[in-house]
Formats: sequence, C-alpha cells, structure tokens
Amino acid sequence: DADVTQTPRNRITKTGKRIMLECSQTKGHDRMYWYRQDPGLGLRLIYYSFDVKDINKGEISDGYSVSRQAQAKFSLSLESAIPNQTALYFCATASYLNEQFFGPGTRLTVL
Amino acid sequence: DAKTTQPPSMDCAEGRAANLPCNHSTISGNEYVYWYRQIHSQGPQYIIHGLKNNETNEMASLIITEDRKSSTLILPHATLRDTAVYYCIVRPPSSNTGNQFYFGTGTSLTVIP
Repeated sequence: DADVTQTPRNRITKTGKRIMLECSQTKGHDRMYWYRQDPGLGLRLIYYSFDVKDINKGEISDGYSVSRQAQAKFSLSLESAIPNQTALYFCATASYLNEQFFGPGTRLTVL
Repeated sequence: DAKTTQPPSMDCAEGRAANLPCNHSTISGNEYVYWYRQIHSQGPQYIIHGLKNNETNEMASLIITEDRKSSTLILPHATLRDTAVYYCIVRPPSSNTGNQFYFGTGTSLTVIP
C-alpha cells in the first residue's frame, strides 16, 4: 500500500462549489504539507502542519483552508472554487530529517 | 532559504551518465543540498541529499564543490525511465519557516534512446 494516499485522484467541479481534498499517510510523520502545481511550473506551498494542533500558511494560502484531523490525516478545502484554482495538488509528509514523501496527486478542474 | 539555478532542460543518451548541475552561490553553512525528481505529473520523489561531502546511493551520486556554491547530480547509467524534471533545493535540516521545500522549475531531463 502507498505510504501517502490522496482522494480523489481527479475531480471536475463548477465555480463556487466547495471542494475537499483528502490526504492520509502511514509513515507516522508529524509534518504534512499541501502543494499545488500549475502546468510548466514548480510546486508552491499552500499550507503545512507540524502536528494536530499546528496549522501554518504557505506562500499561496488565499482561497484555501486546511484541517488536520489526526496525525495521519490532512485535508485541503476550497470554500468557493474558482477557475484559477485548476491545478495538480500534492500532499506530502516529512520527518524531522527533511526527506519529504509525496502522494500521487489530485488533478482538480474548476469550470 | 538559498536560491538555486538550474538549466531548464538537458538531453542524455541512454546508458550514458547524466550530469545535472545546480548553482547555489548564496548557500549558508548549515544548509543541505537536496535533489528530487518528478516523473510526468507524479508526486516528486526524493533522490539524495548532502551537506559538503560527496554522497552516493542506489539512485545517484551527488558531488558538491569544496566552496559549496554548486553541485552536480550524477545518474551513472541513464535509462528512459529517468526522463523527468529534476529539482535542486537547498535548506537547513530544520527551519522556522516550516521545513517546507521551495521547488523551482528544475531541469527537464530527456533520456534519448
């Protein structure tokens, strides 16, 4: 089984809809991250969390929110989706040693 | 975190060594050099990291210059499956900014049959 899983893998939605992307990990890591990737660009950090009670904004957090329900679960929400949030979204985990493990990605399309 | 500069693209013949350069002239003394790669639309994959000594693992070798201002990732015998975007990242092992990685646009490596 994969160490980091993301659901759904693909999602098409309409402008204004609320969307939740989920991430689960079996690595036992405290640190979890959400990134987005736009075509031809590198990854940009949205939010990160060091533990269940810790939530921090990344460089592009506007329009997004997160919830760390448990050590193993970190969800990303788009409260009111807009077309420029169409992107590939990655969840990642890390130990204190910094090696990050990424999920397979969620491809989100906002029409 | 220090910034890095990588060529946008490179080609390599299958079976030959692929040498991917990275400049990080503003690297600080406690910052490590990390390499990740991303195969088309998959999640990035960790390759290797180092501080100042050269490192080797089953995937690649990392050569860091003595002044630490640049490094080279070496894939000793490139295969078609090594075609990917390779990211060079420098950062300390623990950071008040959240331990996140700043991914630039990397080097797109194409292995040619």
